[in-house]
Amino acid sequence: DQQVKQNSPSLSVQEGRISILNCDYTNSMFDYFLWYKKYPAEGPTFLISISSIKDKNEDGRFTVFLNKSAKHLSLHIVPSQPGDSAVYFCAARGRTNAGKSTFGDGTTLTVKP
Amino acid sequence: NAGVTQTPKFRVLKTGQSMTLLCAQDMNHEYMYWYRQDPGMGLRLIHYSVGEGTTAKGEVPDGYNVSRLKKQNFLLGLESAAPSQTSVYFCASSYSTATEAFFGQGTRLTVV
Repeated sequence: DQQVKQNSPSLSVQEGRISILNCDYTNSMFDYFLWYKKYPAEGPTFLISISSIKDKNEDGRFTVFLNKSAKHLSLHIVPSQPGDSAVYFCAARGRTNAGKSTFGDGTTLTVKP
Repeated sequence: NAGVTQTPKFRVLKTGQSMTLLCAQDMNHEYMYWYRQDPGMGLRLIHYSVGEGTTAKGEVPDGYNVSRLKKQNFLLGLESAAPSQTSVYFCASSYSTATEAFFGQGTRLTVV
């Protein structure tokens, strides 16, 4: 049973528009959520996170929204840039869980110039 | 500041051979993790460590062993490689359970 799901394997948007990447989770013990970005042949790099005590966190062009009742989070990128083209992984963990993260399968974002 | 460094970057093994993947971090992080990533899938946790001298099993530990003799190093061993272990392996470290993980660049392992 996959506890973190990213139902869209891929997303294509035009440069300057908004990119919205979605993630659903099933484990109610998860209380910390992270987004990582991964370029080919590189390791994932941290993008933004949100604690379950918040429903929104912003960092520049990146905003993560958390809907705890729906067990859903989303990453908004505005405006999207060609350099944002990468695979985005949603990850979730429980704070009492030794920092172990459960990852979704990733969404490949392509931003077209 | 190197962050997390994995050695080697690429390796081809024959079935039944053994090897050790080395992960080194220079950030004085307590927590270290080994993940594997297969095509079209997310990262799955193999083993992890919450401090020097400690190790624990993750989601997919079978066929792997680990050791953390020094705080900065986390070794992943394959005693008898199998084709099912063909994957990209990522090491990661984090300062605490409430902070993000920093990943190495990955090791692409092919078992033939």
